[in-house]
Amino acid sequence: QLQLQESGPGLVKPSETLSLTCTVSGASVTTNNYYWGWIRRPPGKGLEWIGSIFYSGSTYYNPSLKSRVTMSLDTSKSQFSLKLSSVTAADTAVYYCARHYFSGWDRYFDSWGQGALVTVSS
Amino acid sequence: QSVLTQPPSASGTPGQTVTISCSGSSSNIGNNYVYWYQHLPGTAPKLLIYRNNQRPSGVPDRFSGSKSGTSASLAISGLRSEDEADYYCAAWDDSLSGVVFGGGTQLTVL
Repeated sequence: QLQLQESGPGLVKPSETLSLTCTVSGASVTTNNYYWGWIRRPPGKGLEWIGSIFYSGSTYYNPSLKSRVTMSLDTSKSQFSLKLSSVTAADTAVYYCARHYFSGWDRYFDSWGQGALVTVSS
Repeated sequence: QSVLTQPPSASGTPGQTVTISCSGSSSNIGNNYVYWYQHLPGTAPKLLIYRNNQRPSGVPDRFSGSKSGTSASLAISGLRSEDEADYYCAAWDDSLSGVVFGGGTQLTVL
């Protein structure tokens, strides 16, 4: 049974870098047709896709966040990570990691983590 | 502002049918599949519909999706109290080379 678990600091200071890790169990992160993604939900707002990464290192990033986002994947640890630099209060959100099915025209998130609240505040 | 447009709220009484709309453009809904997710705050979002109208195993057939041109809709029949949640449409956007979500619709079961 696939499980994803987010981890990382719950509080980050403005202008610093937010770092989160997602640990995957019950499935291989090197399976073809699956990217691994990050999505966030700010308080009172809707879901926003941040980016997705394939085990080869191929990435897709949300253009509105691209200049501040770096994603990486560690196959030996079955983990993938998100770094978001120069954060502001607008980056306060619940951050979700998810498996991103990516085959042909199919592009959907079929399994999600429970989410991690990250607050940006001094 | 979201690339895909949804009504912010919808409501219905138990047993009724509720429909949630999602409007996009030729670069997303018009040329790609539409997906629907259900989200109860504090829990993991759940895939409800993929490929416009397909249900993953375990999703009741009370949930159905459709697409026409650059718009899509999610219908929930036989409304139940546990359907009270936020619903999001999503699609791949060819111009942005990424996933776009609707702003979400908060469903209230009266």
